[in-house]
Amino acid sequence: KAGVTQTPRYLIKTRGQQVTLSCSPISGHRSVSWYQQTPGQGLQFLFEYFSETQRNKGNFPGRFSGRQFSNSRSEMNVSTLELGDSALYLCASSLPDSGNTIYFGEGSWLTVV
Amino acid sequence: AQRVTQPEKLLSVFKGAPVELKCNYSYSGSPELFWYVQYSRQRLQLLLRHISRESIKGFTADLNKGETSFHLKKPFAQEEDSAMYYCALSRGGSEKLVFGKGTKLTVNP
Repeated sequence: KAGVTQTPRYLIKTRGQQVTLSCSPISGHRSVSWYQQTPGQGLQFLFEYFSETQRNKGNFPGRFSGRQFSNSRSEMNVSTLELGDSALYLCASSLPDSGNTIYFGEGSWLTVV
Repeated sequence: AQRVTQPEKLLSVFKGAPVELKCNYSYSGSPELFWYVQYSRQRLQLLLRHISRESIKGFTADLNKGETSFHLKKPFAQEEDSAMYYCALSRGGSEKLVFGKGTKLTVNP
């Protein structure tokens, strides 16, 4: 069974640009969540989706957005990139009512220059 | 507010020594507590969770509600235990995890 897959794995963007990151959950998983990992702030929750609906949102500005498709795949978008957005973005998926067994992808490394 | 504190950023022990990674939490309710581990060049993975009360790879963790702690312990550390360890909590039924800043464990030969 394939794990959570994230693309692209590495990318470099310029300040002011926007970026879209993609996540394919484990087959059968309908919950997808996103986290930002930085050396200074650690792992911070961005948002959670279930059946195409956002269920939870972290404390991030509106430049960070996401969505989930009918096949449970998810994307997150960051607009007007800032240097501080440089981070590892992790996607995670889980079965509904799995008792919170969450499986993480390897992440997308974003560098903003 | 929900908060997870891991007071030790770095922890170094010798092989065969006992190891304890500390985790304290702040939560007004009944949280679910987890330990996640990230080995070098691998993805973050669940090590154990308090509701299952399992021992994984020799690690155990007991939830102490009085002290709001969920320390991770292993009686005899192995070199392959060297990794980043993250304590996390969630509200039951939510996939939102609140993580601590992590402890980097190094087990020396």
